[in-house]
Amino acid sequence: LAKTTQPISMDSYEGQEVNITCSHNNIATNDYITWYQQFPSQGPRFIIQGYKTKVTNEVASLFIPADRKSSTLSLPRVSLSDTAVYYCLVVRQRSGATNKLIFGTGTLLAVQP
Amino acid sequence: DAMVIQNPRYQVTQFGKPVTLSCSQTLNHNVMYWYQQKSSQAPKLLFHYYDKDFNNEADTPDNFQSRRPNTSFCFLDIRSPGLGDAAMYLCATSRPTSGFNEQFFGPGTRLTVL
Repeated sequence: LAKTTQPISMDSYEGQEVNITCSHNNIATNDYITWYQQFPSQGPRFIIQGYKTKVTNEVASLFIPADRKSSTLSLPRVSLSDTAVYYCLVVRQRSGATNKLIFGTGTLLAVQP
Repeated sequence: DAMVIQNPRYQVTQFGKPVTLSCSQTLNHNVMYWYQQKSSQAPKLLFHYYDKDFNNEADTPDNFQSRRPNTSFCFLDIRSPGLGDAAMYLCATSRPTSGFNEQFFGPGTRLTVL
C-alpha cells in the first residue's frame, strides 16, 4: 500500500477553514483515499473517502487532483470540538475482501478560540 | 443504536498475569479487528477475523491471541503482559460485502501493566 505523508501538526482558530494535505505518491489504481478523525481516548471515526476529483459530505470535503498523488481534507469553519488527530489512509478496495487500514502518523489539529 | 462495545474501558494487570479484553458489536459485521495504539502513536493492526477465519499480522507477537466465539463477540488475550504492552486496544468492525470499507471503532480499552 502507498505510504502517506502529512504534517505532524496544524494550528487554527475557530471559524477558519482548515486544509490538511496528504501526499501518497505510490497510490495504485485500486486504491481509495480515506480520512479518519480521532479524539483523545476514543477510537478513530471515518470522515470521508474519495477516488478522484471532489467529494463532499456534511463534515468535510476531499479534493483529489487528477494524478491522485496527493489529497486535501478541507474542514469548513472549524470549532474547538474539531481538535483531534486526522489520519490520511490509502485503502485498497477489493470487493468482498478485507480492506486493511494502515495508519500513518496523522495530523494533530489544534483549534484555538 | 448499533455500535461497537469494549469492556472494560480501563484494565490494570500485573506483569506476566494473563488478561483478556472483550469486544462486542450489534452491527452484524462479519469482520472484526484488533488494533494496538501506544501513547502518541497511530493505531497498529494486530489481527482480524473475517467470519471465523483468523488473519494474523506478520509482526504481531505470539503473546497476543484472539478468539471469536460468534459473530457478535471477539476477545483479545495477552498471555504474559509486559510493560511494553501498556496501550489502548481498539476493536473495530467492517462489512466488506457491502462494497464499502469503512471501519467502525469501539471506544477502546486502556491497559496498564504494573
